[in-house]
Amino acid sequence: GGIITQTPKFLIGQEGQKLTLKCQQNFNHDTMYWYRQDSGKGLRLIYYSITENDLQKGDLSEGYDASREKKSSFSLTVTSAQKNEMAVFLCASSLTGGSAETLYFGSGTRLTVL
Amino acid sequence: GDQVEQSPSALSLHEGTSSALRCNFTTTTRSVQWFRQNSRGSLINLFYLASGTKENGRLKSAFDSKELYSTLHIRDAQLEDSGTYFCAADPPSSGQKLVFGQGTILKVYL
Repeated sequence: GGIITQTPKFLIGQEGQKLTLKCQQNFNHDTMYWYRQDSGKGLRLIYYSITENDLQKGDLSEGYDASREKKSSFSLTVTSAQKNEMAVFLCASSLTGGSAETLYFGSGTRLTVL
Repeated sequence: GDQVEQSPSALSLHEGTSSALRCNFTTTTRSVQWFRQNSRGSLINLFYLASGTKENGRLKSAFDSKELYSTLHIRDAQLEDSGTYFCAADPPSSGQKLVFGQGTILKVYL
């Protein structure tokens, strides 16, 4: 089996700060995803990547950048953290990105902006 | 509007009882997936359905693509079933991207 590792688990930032979240997977999956989870709102897709150096915008990409440096890693940058922002960011991967495939998730990074 | 509506938003079950979670779709979906979010935060895939029903232990899921809904039945609930359950739809309009519901928080108590 494989695992998805997200770092850090907890991230506290200041308003206006640029913050980077990292994700590593050892499934050798082609496709990786970043979701944002807000209380009572389910998961919303920020960015996804179908292969190394590929980037595709999701529904919530404004205010974020992403980078797929290599097949196993996918990072997300909050370009300017918003005051009082609190959310959990979940990284996921799937074999090739088909909607019928199982998604495997990491444990999340919990962001708090002071 | 939201394409995927889950109900109830929260549910408390006495250990050993049974109940069902529901996911309504406002648009056609090719399939549905159900996930449980555990205490560590990870989402674990429970079911993928393109039609019909699937069963795994005390969990059973059904998907009616024509009536635009899916259900997840939990039989003989146990403490370890507690968590947040999400359904995710696969509407043709969203390309290959899943659309998640807002989740049902389940608490099983003694």
